[in-house]
Amino acid sequence: NAGVTQTPKFRILKIGQSMTLQCTQDMNHNYMYWYRQDPGMGLKLIYYSVGAGITDKGEVPNGYNVSRSTTEDFPLRLELAAPSQTSVYFCASSYGTSGLAYEQYFGPGTRLTVT
Amino acid sequence: AQSVTQLGSHVSVSEGALVLLRCNYSSSVPPYLFWYVQYPNQGLQLLLKYTTGATLVKGINGFEAEFKKSETSFHLTKPSAHMSDAAEYFCAVSEAGGGADGLTFGKGTHLIIQP
Repeated sequence: NAGVTQTPKFRILKIGQSMTLQCTQDMNHNYMYWYRQDPGMGLKLIYYSVGAGITDKGEVPNGYNVSRSTTEDFPLRLELAAPSQTSVYFCASSYGTSGLAYEQYFGPGTRLTVT
Repeated sequence: AQSVTQLGSHVSVSEGALVLLRCNYSSSVPPYLFWYVQYPNQGLQLLLKYTTGATLVKGINGFEAEFKKSETSFHLTKPSAHMSDAAEYFCAVSEAGGGADGLTFGKGTHLIIQP
């Protein structure tokens, strides 16, 4: 299994451009997440999904959009990129069912710079 | 709302010495607690987790952590540090069923191992 894969690894955007960060998992996990990591700030949840067709906002959703059309894929869309979106983005997935604690598996990250 | 506080953004220990990384949490319901490790330019990897039951949990690479409800703490320890332990360590907490709506992370502690 490849686990959680993310593309691209690095990207430089100009202010106002848009892009999609791709995330795919091959573990048949029903839950998926997007986090951003800023230096010295830990990880902040952007969006999450508990299954295909279901998404919900996390702590810092402004400026982002997501969709979940399949179990495997959970792309993150940035519209009108701003310097404040310069960060490292991590996708994660987990198996979820009531009453169980879920280990989240993380992808390797996408380092995004907006200039 | 839940929160996590990690004392010390940087901790330096000598090789062979005890490693102690501190984590305190706040949660309105019994928490699930996690420690993740991040090596440079990589994603996060689960070290260990506490859900219910035994309050002393053992993880990978010789690490362990003890859940102390009265102190709202979940400190990470390792008896003897190794050079390969140098990394960023994150404590995280979840409330709703073990993380269905994502994890709340601390800001991280950078562990430095002195030869």
